[in-house]
Amino acid sequence: QKEVEQDPGPLSVPEGAIVSLNCTYSNSAFQYFMWYRQYSRKGPELLMYTYSSGNKEDGRFTAQVDKSSKYISLFIRDSQPSDSATYLCAMRGPGTYKYIFGTGTRLKVLA
Amino acid sequence: AAGVIQSPRHLIKEKRETATLKCYPIPRHDTVYWYQQGPGQDPQFLISFYEKMQSDKGSIPDRFSAQQFSDYHSELNMSSLELGDSALYFCASSAKNTEAFFGQGTRLTVV
Repeated sequence: QKEVEQDPGPLSVPEGAIVSLNCTYSNSAFQYFMWYRQYSRKGPELLMYTYSSGNKEDGRFTAQVDKSSKYISLFIRDSQPSDSATYLCAMRGPGTYKYIFGTGTRLKVLA
Repeated sequence: AAGVIQSPRHLIKEKRETATLKCYPIPRHDTVYWYQQGPGQDPQFLISFYEKMQSDKGSIPDRFSAQQFSDYHSELNMSSLELGDSALYFCASSAKNTEAFFGQGTRLTVV
């Protein structure tokens, strides 16, 4: 079993929908959580960074961390066709220099 | 803002040849990470360096080696290349305990 699980999708939604992307993890030591967006053949682009539990909002994006359930989410409001990409979660524990990635969820926002 | 710079962007090598990938981190970042991403795969952690010392090691083959230099740039050396080494190689950098930013990657093709 992988340390970080993520539904690979693809997930297709109409333009303007609210998108919910999720990752579960098994290592309770993880404290640093990130969401990246990756377009085909490009480097992952950092969207959100959260330390420990709680919510964080940035524009149309909201990241949630529930450490008790070992579950993190990324919400995208008013989704746009330009949001079509692969979304990767990544996380690491304290004192380590290794981010563990989920497999990525492919999102398609239909115009 | 300065980003992580990787060179070359594309590289074609023959089997059993050697390749060197370079990574220039964001200024004042002291940690460098190397990842390998095969087609349709999530990024797999290879190795990381903090303050020029190896800090974590992942699934890096013995044929590969890496180091971080005094100016914090890093090089990934790959010898006896195999067809299966064809992939996108990403470098990321961070300041200690902060989020990691990725470069645009080097696409290595082994023929």
